[in-house]
Amino acid sequence: DAEITQSPRHKITETGRQVTLACHQTWNHNNMFWYRQDLGHGLRLIHYSYGVQDTNKGEVSDGYSVSRSNTEDLPLTLESAASSQTSVYFCASGDSEETQYFGPGTRLLVL
Amino acid sequence: DAKTTQPPSMDCAEGRAANLPCNHSTISGNEYVYWYRQIHSQGPQYIIHGLKNNETNEMASLIITEDRKSSTLILPHATLRDTAVYYCIVRVAFGGGKLIFGQGTELSVKP
Repeated sequence: DAEITQSPRHKITETGRQVTLACHQTWNHNNMFWYRQDLGHGLRLIHYSYGVQDTNKGEVSDGYSVSRSNTEDLPLTLESAASSQTSVYFCASGDSEETQYFGPGTRLLVL
Repeated sequence: DAKTTQPPSMDCAEGRAANLPCNHSTISGNEYVYWYRQIHSQGPQYIIHGLKNNETNEMASLIITEDRKSSTLILPHATLRDTAVYYCIVRVAFGGGKLIFGQGTELSVKP
């Protein structure tokens, strides 16, 4: 069955380190998205991509980057992790007006 | 994308219908109404979407008023497993798939 996976599921890192969160989908969807979820803020869009080599900034993109070298993967990189980036990160994929399918999430703790 | 207004919380007795309202008075003619839910600690899950006609699937029914300024998600026989935060989102079809999440309604299904 097609699916969307995220790894790692849990990560502890130190301030200033570079961290990469992986997202992989097997639906062959063109559109992929990264959200973060914090108490009191709900889900907020970080970056998104409409296809290979395409990336766009969302509402909270500072300190994050993405790259899209193939259809299946959209890794999210925290260039220099900060405590404010402690959060739960969700990846999603979809196509056109179709529904978005969300991954299980990655819990990141920045110490 | 149009904004939505939902009550912050609702209770429902197990086995009864749960009716979750959503106001979207500034919705445009080409915007769909989508409903997602998020069970604690999991990624959001698609429920249903519609443009102007009422829709039903195996999970729920969506009733959209004739003027499209509001809608109601109906879970016909709520179970304890339906306890979740429910998000009403409006967005343009073929608009790239971005979802803008509000605060949602926290539904508690009680025995």
